Formats: sequence, C-alpha cells, structure tokens
Amino acid sequence: SQTIHQWPATLVQPVGSPLSLECTVEGTSNPNLYWYRQAAGRGLQLLFYSVGIGQISSEVPQNLSASRPQDRQFILSSKKLLLSDSGFYLCAWGTGLAGGQEQFFGPGTRLTVL
Amino acid sequence: AQSVTQLDSQVPVFEEAPVELRCNYSSSVSVYLFWYVQYPNQGLQLLLKYLSGSTLVESINGFEAEFNKSQTSFHLRKPSVHISDTAEYFCAANSGYALNFGKGTSLLVTP
Repeated sequence: SQTIHQWPATLVQPVGSPLSLECTVEGTSNPNLYWYRQAAGRGLQLLFYSVGIGQISSEVPQNLSASRPQDRQFILSSKKLLLSDSGFYLCAWGTGLAGGQEQFFGPGTRLTVL
Repeated sequence: AQSVTQLDSQVPVFEEAPVELRCNYSSSVSVYLFWYVQYPNQGLQLLLKYLSGSTLVESINGFEAEFNKSQTSFHLRKPSVHISDTAEYFCAANSGYALNFGKGTSLLVTP
C-alpha cells in the first residue's frame, strides 16, 4: 500500500531563517506531487506541483521554492522565512492524468515563524 | 479551471440531527468533484468522489453527496451525525493537474 511521510511534524523558526520541509512517498512510482499551505480560515492554497523528477510548477509567486531530486521525494524550501509563511503545510500525491485523479495527503507540518 | 465555493464556514448541529454542507462549482465541463475531511492537526482524508456515472455517491461512514449539474452543486449530507463527525470538510474540483479547494466548512457536533 502507498504511504506518504512528512517531516518535521512541527517547526518553530525565527524570521529570516532558512526552511526545508521534506515529503516522501512509498508504494507508488511516477506520482504527481503537490505542496499546499493551509492558513487559518483560508482553505488550502496550492503552492507547487510536480509531474516528474526535476519538473516544478509554481502556482503562487513568493519566497518559497520546491525541488524534486528523486521520483518520490518532494522538498519545500525557503532562504529567508517571513512571518506570513506561518501555516500548516501539506504534501500530497496523485496518479494518472489531469482531471479525475484524487490526491492523498500526508500528515502535515505545522510551521510557526516568530 | 474550476473554482469551488463552500457557502458555510461553520455549521453547528446537535448529535443525531441531519446535516448538509453546501458546495458549488463553477463549470460543468469535465468536472470531477471530491469531499475531503480533516480532523484537528491531521492531513486530509478523502471522504467521497464523483468522477462519472451515478450522481449520488456514498462514503463508508454514512455521508453522501449528489452531483447536480443544473445547479452546479455537490452538497454533502448525512441523515444523523455523531460527535466524531466534528471536523473540517473541504470540497474540491479538478483543475488541470491539481485540485481547487473550497475554503472549508467546520462541522461542530454537540450533544
């Protein structure tokens, strides 16, 4: 069966510090991978998605970046965190072509920027 | 691309009462719809989905949703809720390779 892992589970970082969040998927190959951010009262905002190794699509311009160094690994990074980067970050994977695929979510990372 | 509107940010309801969580989408062209549930400090879990075929879809825990093309709606219903149904519920629709989510509805079930 497929599983998705995210770490760390929680993170408290000062403004201006770097960020690296990791997501890995097991039990599937060539998944589409996604990073979402969930802020209080604002639903889920798609940040990045990837349909293959080294392929990253950015949905919202900001000080975050994403990389996919391996087929089942997706990393979210920042060189300098802002207060507005606080939130709940969710990684997800899906298979197949656009449209009818459902997505499976990881447990999330709670990021607090102080 | 599809957009999704969840009309209610919070829905309080008593235990064993029926509930409806509303969701409207923007376009009926090639639409695929999903309901996800999120318990506190957890990721999202798929509750049910509509891809094609029967317009009424059901989940294993008593929820159901009906795809209504004329009203561009995909409302989620349950005839009798439990305390354990307290959670955030998200409606989503396909958008290219990704999904567009509504802002969520917080369902609070009280005794």
